Formats: sequence, C-alpha cells, structure tokens
Amino acid sequence: EVQLVESGGGLVQPGGSLRLSCAASGFTFSSYEMNWVRQAPGKGLEWVSYISSSGSTVYYADSVKGRFTISRDNAKNSLYLQMNSLRAEDTAVYYCARSGSYYDYWGQGTLVTVSS
Amino acid sequence: DIQMTQSPSSVSASVGDRVTITCRASQGISSWLAWYQQKPGKAPKLLIYAASTLQSGVPSRFSGSGSGTDFTLTISSLQPEDFATYYCQQANSFSLTFGGGTKVEIK
Repeated sequence: EVQLVESGGGLVQPGGSLRLSCAASGFTFSSYEMNWVRQAPGKGLEWVSYISSSGSTVYYADSVKGRFTISRDNAKNSLYLQMNSLRAEDTAVYYCARSGSYYDYWGQGTLVTVSS
Repeated sequence: DIQMTQSPSSVSASVGDRVTITCRASQGISSWLAWYQQKPGKAPKLLIYAASTLQSGVPSRFSGSGSGTDFTLTISSLQPEDFATYYCQQANSFSLTFGGGTKVEIK
C-alpha cells in the first residue's frame, strides 16, 4: 500500500525556519517525481515545489522561490521541504504528493502556522 | 502562469442529480488537465487525468471531457459520498495551477 506521511509542521514566528519531511513507503520512491502542495485555511490548493526522481531538477512557485528548498533522499525514501524566511501567508497545510503532472497519492498533510 | 477558472463556485444538488462543473484555462493546455475531489479535513483524491481518463478505482458516474481551454467534470447521478469540493488542475507547464474549487452541497 502506498503511504506518504508528512511531519515537521508547527507554529513558527515570522522570519523563522521549518523543515518538513515526507516519509514514503509501498512503492519504489526513487522512480517517482514528487511535489509539495499547500492549502491555506479555508482556501484552495497551491502547488509549491517539484523535484525529479533523481533530485537533479527542481521547480518552485514564484511565491516561495528563494525561500524554500526541496530535496530528497532516495536511500531513506524521504522528501523534504526546507522553509526559510517564513511569512504569515505561508500558513497552510502542506501536502506531499506523488508524481510529476497528476498527483495520484497524497499524504495527510502537516499544518504550518506562521504567527507571532 | 496559466490561470484556471472554475464555475460555479458552489452548487446545491440532490442525490441522483446530474452535476456539471466547468473549468477554463487562460491559454490552451491540450488535454493536460486533472480533476480532484476533496472532503473536509482530508487530502485531495485524483478522479480524472488527461482530461478524460478515469483514475483506477473511481466510480464510472464520474466523467471528464474537453481539450484546449474548456473542460467539464460530470457526475451522472450524485451519490451521498460525492458531496465535496472539486478542483481542476492544469499540467501543461511545470508551474502547475489549480482552479478555485467547486463545492457540491446537499440541496
């Protein structure tokens, strides 16, 4: 069974940092592109970042470019999102999602709250 | 970025009704479109990809159509478990974008 489990969310002050993790199981993680998608409270979905299966290619939404860094460790079946210089508007549930174009599996999400 | 516009933003319907949701892209995206269903407190679920291909395990009452800029998600006979919010998503460019969502509510 495919499982994606996010962790690392929490309350952080504006300007702070947080590192999210996504533990993958039930499939060959190293063969799949991965993404982070977020959803602000009561709002719609926003794609955040993409990483290729090898980790050699990454893309970011303009809203997070220069502040967030996506990475992966295929030996540990894990995906990461390093978030720096956090702003109030980054408050959201962050999901990891499998595949490049169409997200066929999603984690349960982890809540990031940026507030003083 | 490609903008995705969904309509309506909400719809009230009864069990057994036929429901149609539309999604318009700000520029042509061929058939690079997906539809997702999201229930409160849950992650989205992929229903349809490549505009009209049903994801494995999704009931056949769901169907998708369209290409270019105009797309449609149809639920042929609404069931109690279908009350949820639906999102379209374009996959034509690496900067993937979602529509604003359509909430299907009980009439």
